Amino acid sequence: QQQVKQSPQSLIVQKGGISIINCAYENTAFDYFPWYQQFPGKGPALLIAIRPDVSEKKEGRFTISFNKSAKQFSLHIMDSQPGDSATYFCAASTGYQKVTFGTGTKLQVIP
Amino acid sequence: KAGVTQTPRYLIKTRGQQVTLSCSPISGHRSVSWYQQTPGQGLQFLFEYFSETQRNKGNFPGRFSGRQFSNSRSEMNVSTLELGDSALYLCASSRGGADNSPLHFGNGTRLTVT
Repeated sequence: QQQVKQSPQSLIVQKGGISIINCAYENTAFDYFPWYQQFPGKGPALLIAIRPDVSEKKEGRFTISFNKSAKQFSLHIMDSQPGDSATYFCAASTGYQKVTFGTGTKLQVIP
Repeated sequence: KAGVTQTPRYLIKTRGQQVTLSCSPISGHRSVSWYQQTPGQGLQFLFEYFSETQRNKGNFPGRFSGRQFSNSRSEMNVSTLELGDSALYLCASSRGGADNSPLHFGNGTRLTVT
């Protein structure tokens, strides 16, 4: 019940295209859903996060869509750039830093 | 503000040995969490310390242990190393309250067990 399932495992998108990464969860106690971005040789860094009381959150080219009834959430990267090439992790938390991560999506944006 | 610092960056150990990894959190952060990252498995939660007490624990064997000092710095110890312990070990700090404050990760310690 603590799992967060993430897909796809890898993704290749052309520059200017839309990158979409999906995640699903089972535990309805999760109340915070962050996305982390990790570049090679670096630790993950918080990209954007959402709480289940909203269905969408946008920050620049990054948007989280959240479907509470389906227990799914997704990250959309609009106008994808080569600099967005990284590994992306979705996560879910019940508070007090009890964070469960997805298995990651390696995104490659080709010029 | 200085970020999370992990030392050493790289370690090579032999099976059966033990190892200690260190993490210095962001100033003012009282929570330190440890994660194991391996290809295909993502980030697996090891444990979390808050004000020198282990508050959360993942599903790892007792060979994995940790502690936190009064200045919030944390250490992680792995005893009787196995080949499967080869991984990137990440430390993350946060304010640590009930409000899901963001995790701030260090750049990790790459452990190779031969």
